[in-house]
Amino acid sequence: EDQVTQSPEALRLQEGESSSLNCSYTVSGLRGLFWYRQDPGKGPEFLFTLYSAGEEKEKERLKATLTKKESFLHITAPKPEDSATYLCAVRLISSGSARQLTFGSGTQLTVLP
Amino acid sequence: GAVVSQHPSRVICKSGTSVKIECRSLDFQATTMFWYRQFPKKSLMLMATSNEGSKATYEQGVEKDKFLINHASLTLSTLTVTSAHPEDSSFYICSARITGGNGYTFGSGTRLTVV
Repeated sequence: EDQVTQSPEALRLQEGESSSLNCSYTVSGLRGLFWYRQDPGKGPEFLFTLYSAGEEKEKERLKATLTKKESFLHITAPKPEDSATYLCAVRLISSGSARQLTFGSGTQLTVLP
Repeated sequence: GAVVSQHPSRVICKSGTSVKIECRSLDFQATTMFWYRQFPKKSLMLMATSNEGSKATYEQGVEKDKFLINHASLTLSTLTVTSAHPEDSSFYICSARITGGNGYTFGSGTRLTVV
């Protein structure tokens, strides 16, 4: 069975304290791994797409990496405005023409000033 | 670019009534739209995939007669929750696939409360 697992469920950091969020996947065929940020009461906001092992992408304080089994979202020197729920999602080869995403349960990040 | 406008953002309705949620693609044509449901502090659960001009494909366990999806044009998809009950209270989010670029864009969500 295809599974996407995120850890930790919740993470509290002090401002400036760098850390990483994990998204591990057990899927039959990966056609893309996506990272989203979701603020309370809002829809997900796109951050990154990764397609192949070894790929890395950066945006401001965030950096996403991908291996054959997992992805990490590294947050460097976070600020309180980085507080949000971070979701990872995979698009599977088996989703075929539908191309739907399968989401992990998310990591709720709180950055304290 | 590639914005999906979803409304209403919040709706409160009485048990037994129906509620319609709209998602419009503002600057692109959305051949396929996805409808998700999200419970508090939980992830997005795919409910159905809608394709313009054809019947929606529902995920296992989702009642197609309760959650009516219409995708009559390339810019509009609607989800109607029929005969709503308190257990239908949730956060509903639509998404559209976009060619190239970031792949998928999401609406801002609708908080449905059934009283």
